[in-house]
Amino acid sequence: RKEVEQDPGPFNVPEGATVAFNCTYSNSASQSFFWYRQDCRKEPKLLMSVYSSGNEDGRFTAQLNRASQYISLLIRDSKLSDSATYLCVVSSYSSASKIIFGSGTRLSIRP
Amino acid sequence: EPEVTQTPSHQVTQMGQEVILRCVPISNHLYFYWYRQILGQKVEFLVSFYNNEISEKSEIFDDQFSVERPDGSNFTLKIRSTKLEDSAMYFCASSQTSGEQFFGPGTRLTVL
Repeated sequence: RKEVEQDPGPFNVPEGATVAFNCTYSNSASQSFFWYRQDCRKEPKLLMSVYSSGNEDGRFTAQLNRASQYISLLIRDSKLSDSATYLCVVSSYSSASKIIFGSGTRLSIRP
Repeated sequence: EPEVTQTPSHQVTQMGQEVILRCVPISNHLYFYWYRQILGQKVEFLVSFYNNEISEKSEIFDDQFSVERPDGSNFTLKIRSTKLEDSAMYFCASSQTSGEQFFGPGTRLTVL
């Protein structure tokens, strides 16, 4: 089983739609969880950290389910500028400083 | 807003040559990292650096690779004898604690 697994997509949704991504991780001892976005040929940019209690930042909501080893990201009222690859990122069980990237889920928002 | 910077943005080199990729992390950050991303593939961890020493490295980070913090601001990745398969985007990142990491724009390395 891959350490961090994501549906590669692509997800192609109309502007204004709500879209959800899921991610599973293999090691129950993982400590920290993040969502990054990456535009084509650019660096990953931190979107949000994911806490056990869940967190929301504007149109974005992230949830963590430690029992199922599952992380989700919900984007409401999607904009054209949300088109990107969304990367699920999990800290290594061996070191909180080493983070492991999923392969990413590609999202394309159409007008 | 402070950001991580990297130079050069693109480096072309011949196989077997040495390259040094440079990074200036965010100034009050204490943890520094290098990652690579081969075109079309996922971002892969190479090495983390804290308190002037390597804290963790991956299987990719073999004897051909080394890192250094030569002064108070720069953080470098050296590849001693480049191979074709070293062609990739190399990202530097930094963090204040061992949590959220912020990435530089990357150096595209092309080995011919």
